[in-house]
Parts: sequence; structure tokens; C-alpha cells
Amino acid sequence: GAVVSQHPSRVICKSGTSVKIECRSLDFQATTMFWYRQFPKKSLMLMATSNEGSKATYEQGVEKDKFLINHASLTLSTLTVTSAHPEDSSFYICSARGTGGINEQFFGPGTRLTVL
Amino acid sequence: RKEVEQDPGPFNVPEGATVAFNCTYSNSASQSFFWYRQDCRKEPKLLMSVYSSGNEDGRFTAQLNRASQYISLLIRDSKLSDSATYLCVVTSTNTGNQFYFGTGTSLTVIP
Repeated sequence: GAVVSQHPSRVICKSGTSVKIECRSLDFQATTMFWYRQFPKKSLMLMATSNEGSKATYEQGVEKDKFLINHASLTLSTLTVTSAHPEDSSFYICSARGTGGINEQFFGPGTRLTVL
Repeated sequence: RKEVEQDPGPFNVPEGATVAFNCTYSNSASQSFFWYRQDCRKEPKLLMSVYSSGNEDGRFTAQLNRASQYISLLIRDSKLSDSATYLCVVTSTNTGNQFYFGTGTSLTVIP
């Protein structure tokens, strides 16, 4: 299957700082990438859909000014958590839609964010 | 009502046992169904797609019941390495093919 990487894998930061998470499709081009958040013992919740060259589509309840998404190329999407607070601590996972069809998603290894 | 519902478990079974998980979905127009496996602090990985006719992959069997709107996963001859959380995923074209995840069912296989 296709490979998706995320960086960093883990980040600890102070409250009020901004954190950028990168998601890369390594061996295929991804016009669409997705950002999910998962709290402990909870399901993955879609935050936003990122389309290359256009604005991201955010799910209801997700603040677009707090979670900035940039999909600048066919292999890279970034999520920036601005002015992070302890309640933003979570597991953030990206996925990329493969070329095999609209129902195919390949997941990155996730980024564990801890805000002190 | 949640899009996808699963019994969170946990299921604790001995090695060699057979275990089954069910998942129900609310959108009758759902078209694609998957089972993903997620290990602790890792990303979900596709275990198998679920087809209308049912499908089998080694010790794993997935089935779909459209009338009752549920899918199932059967694991035979459980191995220690099967210990993980199993996520049910449902998509539909009338929701833009968004992936809806269940909360997952936790399985621990005991020696």
C-alpha cells in the first residue's frame, strides 16, 4: 500500500504556542488529505478535508482559525494548531486519498500533541 | 444517533477462541464498509473491506447485512497478535464519501 508520513510523531509544548504538523504522501500524489483527531478511548473524528490548491473544508464545530490547514502541493498538507491549550492535547492523524478510488485512504502514523 | 455504533468491549478471550464483533450504522444509503485494526498509540490500518456477499481472508470473515444495517467481523483461532482495537468504518456518497468510524472494539487475546 501507499505510504503516508507525519512529522513530528510527538510534541510537547507550552500553552499559547503554535504547533505545525506535516503530512506527506511519499510515493503517490494526493489531491485530497484528511485530518482526524482522536481522544483516548474515543473514535477518530474528522476535523477537516484538505484539497490541494484550495481552502480546506472544516467539519462542524472545528474552528478554522485555530486549526490552520495548508495543502500547498500534491504530497504535503500541514495542520497548524494555533495558540494551543491543554484541551487541544490529542492524537492527530492525517490520511491521504489514494489513486485507487475515492474509498481508499492511507493513514499517517499520527502525531501525539501534549500541551502543558 | 451516531453514524456508526460498536460495542466497545473489552473482549478478553483465550488463544484459539473464536470471537465476533458487530457494528451497526444509521445511514441506509451507506455503500462501502471496512474493518480497520488499530494498535495502541498507532494509526488505523485496513484489515479488510466488507462486501455484500461476505468475504473471508484467512482467519477473518466479514459479513454485511443491509436489511438490518450491520456488519460483522469473525476471528477464528485467535492469536496473541490479534490483540488490538477493531474499528468499523462506513462511507456513503450522500455524505461525500466521508469515513465514519465506530468507537472501536477492544480485543485482548490471553495466553
